[in-house]
Amino acid sequence: DIVMTQSPDSLAVSLGERATINCKSSQSVLYSSNNKNDLAWYQQKPGQPPKLLIYWASTRESGVPDRFSGSGSGTDFTLTISSLQAEDVAVYYCQQYYATPFTFGPGTKVDIK
Amino acid sequence: EVQLVQSGAEVKKPGQSLKISCKGSGYIFTSYWIGWVRQMPGKGLEWMGIIYPGDSDTRNSPSFQGQVTISADKSITTAYLQWSSLKTSDTAIYYCARHRVGFSDAFDIWGQGTMVTVTS
Repeated sequence: DIVMTQSPDSLAVSLGERATINCKSSQSVLYSSNNKNDLAWYQQKPGQPPKLLIYWASTRESGVPDRFSGSGSGTDFTLTISSLQAEDVAVYYCQQYYATPFTFGPGTKVDIK
Repeated sequence: EVQLVQSGAEVKKPGQSLKISCKGSGYIFTSYWIGWVRQMPGKGLEWMGIIYPGDSDTRNSPSFQGQVTISADKSITTAYLQWSSLKTSDTAIYYCARHRVGFSDAFDIWGQGTMVTVTS
């Protein structure tokens, strides 16, 4: 199985400041035939199902605010919230869909400082 | 509107069987993979497996292989997750979710979740 790790486990950021979450896969998730990384980011608020934010490591899902951005390739990825808003308090998960089982990272909790 | 609607919360005893459902609507059910994800109380997301309702091709996580059965009935656009003998450790919220487009893809539509409680 591809093991996904995330750092930090949690972070607290002031409103309007940048939040950065890292995700690392135990092997590359770059699909050579299309040069796309099979990596997604999800946001989960308390009592709600997860919501897709980013796929192919950097493509924003329709309707997702542009303060959310994804970057990285191969084994190292980053989710950045450029200006944290109160409604961004949530747990964020990365997921690889390169090889089954399509494993998730352990999650990073984001709070307001 | 594309949506997945899951069956309601269940309370069961250890050793009992259970089948929960996930009904898709607003899209061509047979053309998209549907998966199941477990979330134990206060914990993260665990990928259990996926099924392609068009031909019932299924891929299971080794962690759940033999513990649950994933199936689908395309005539009623519904996917299922089934246990033959529940354990207290099966207590969790179970989400169904649809792949965006293809086999290797992210989950873009999620059900509301089904809470399963197994207690003696």
